Amino acid sequence: DGGITQSPKYLFRKEGQNVTLSCEQNLNHDAMYWYRQDPGQGLRLIYYSQIVNDFQKGDIAEGYSVSREKKESFPLTVTSAQKNPTAFYLCASSLQGPNTEAFFGQGTRLTVV
Amino acid sequence: EDKVVQSPLSLVVHEGDTVTLNCSYEVTNFRSLLWYKQEKKAPTFLFMLTSSGIEKKSGRLSSILDKKELSSILNITATQTGDSAIYLCAVEEYGNKLVFGAGTILRVKS
Repeated sequence: DGGITQSPKYLFRKEGQNVTLSCEQNLNHDAMYWYRQDPGQGLRLIYYSQIVNDFQKGDIAEGYSVSREKKESFPLTVTSAQKNPTAFYLCASSLQGPNTEAFFGQGTRLTVV
Repeated sequence: EDKVVQSPLSLVVHEGDTVTLNCSYEVTNFRSLLWYKQEKKAPTFLFMLTSSGIEKKSGRLSSILDKKELSSILNITATQTGDSAIYLCAVEEYGNKLVFGAGTILRVKS
């Protein structure tokens, strides 16, 4: 089945550690996105990528890094520089071009312990 | 800075009520406005609006875009407990940037 898969569903990180969240899609979508969602709030854009080997910072990119080496994969690394990383992280993808909806993964809940 | 503002932030209604959720935006290169419903984890798509004044409808939900006022509304009639969710508004800009608002938390009481 076509879709977008995030893993793991739950992740615990010790302070000072880097962790990487996985996002894979088999929808042949060009554009991919990472959002952060804090309790009771909307989605804030971390990074997005329109095409392989290219990505742009969103509104809250500090403390995060991404790569886009393959069309189907857009991993997000939460670095130790991110001061408050505990949140729900959502990955999405969409077709390139106008007026296309984004499809979301089921999310990863990251907790710093 | 691009901005998408939703109001109210939260709302509690009784079953059968009609609700109107608002979304206003300030973005550089508007392409479309999208509404999503988020119940547990992944937001699910409701509507995409590109043209002013044309209502999109799906069952008890409808939405319309006003490009002059840079805003959109989402109406839900005869609300049910299953409508309880976070409703997210997003604006797509040229270059595939998708910016979300903070969402409206809707709770429908039986």
